Amino acid sequence: EAQVTQNPRYLITVTGKKLTVTCSQNMNHEYMSWYRQDPGLGLRQIYYSMNVEVTDKGDVPEGYKVSRKEKRNFPLILESPSPNQTSLYFCASSLFLSSEAFFGQGTRLTVV
Amino acid sequence: GQQVMQIPQYQHVQEGEDFTTYCNSSTTLSNIQWYKQRPGGHPVFLIQLVKSGEVKKQKRLTFQFGEAKKNSSLHITATQTTDVGTYFCAERGSGNTGKLIFGQGTTLQVKP
Repeated sequence: EAQVTQNPRYLITVTGKKLTVTCSQNMNHEYMSWYRQDPGLGLRQIYYSMNVEVTDKGDVPEGYKVSRKEKRNFPLILESPSPNQTSLYFCASSLFLSSEAFFGQGTRLTVV
Repeated sequence: GQQVMQIPQYQHVQEGEDFTTYCNSSTTLSNIQWYKQRPGGHPVFLIQLVKSGEVKKQKRLTFQFGEAKKNSSLHITATQTTDVGTYFCAERGSGNTGKLIFGQGTTLQVKP
């Protein structure tokens, strides 16, 4: 089954404790992105990747890192999480630049 | 920067009534995509519109792209409880970023 898989689905952590949210897709898509969703703000792009070893900042990259060592994986790293990073995070992939995006199930992160 | 404004933010309807959500942009849109997010779920692609004046239908859903490619609408005829969720329009941003610029979304509640 074609899918984008994120883990974990839920995470509560403390300020400053490094964490990684994993994202994996099995559709051989080149394009992958991370979004955060906050009430009233819709979805905003954090980082994106057009191919292996090619990543760039989106609209709200501060406090986040990503890597793309393999085509299928695109982890999101929070080196020192802060409470303002409490949000719902989605990973997405698409085959082409202009094609539909497939979203993961989401990761609800709470930083206390 | 590019912005897509979506209205209304919320809509409550009685089952069987029609529903419409609108997306507007001050700049010409290259394309528009529509996504649906069920409560507690992730965005799921519905459709993409590319051509000026384009109209596409999916059962009870009708999607339109304005003649000037600055606005789009999603109309649902005779809503059902299964239509509950948040509907987002999104544009693929300019440049090779793969970025989706989302509207704020319209949350639809359907009373049985």
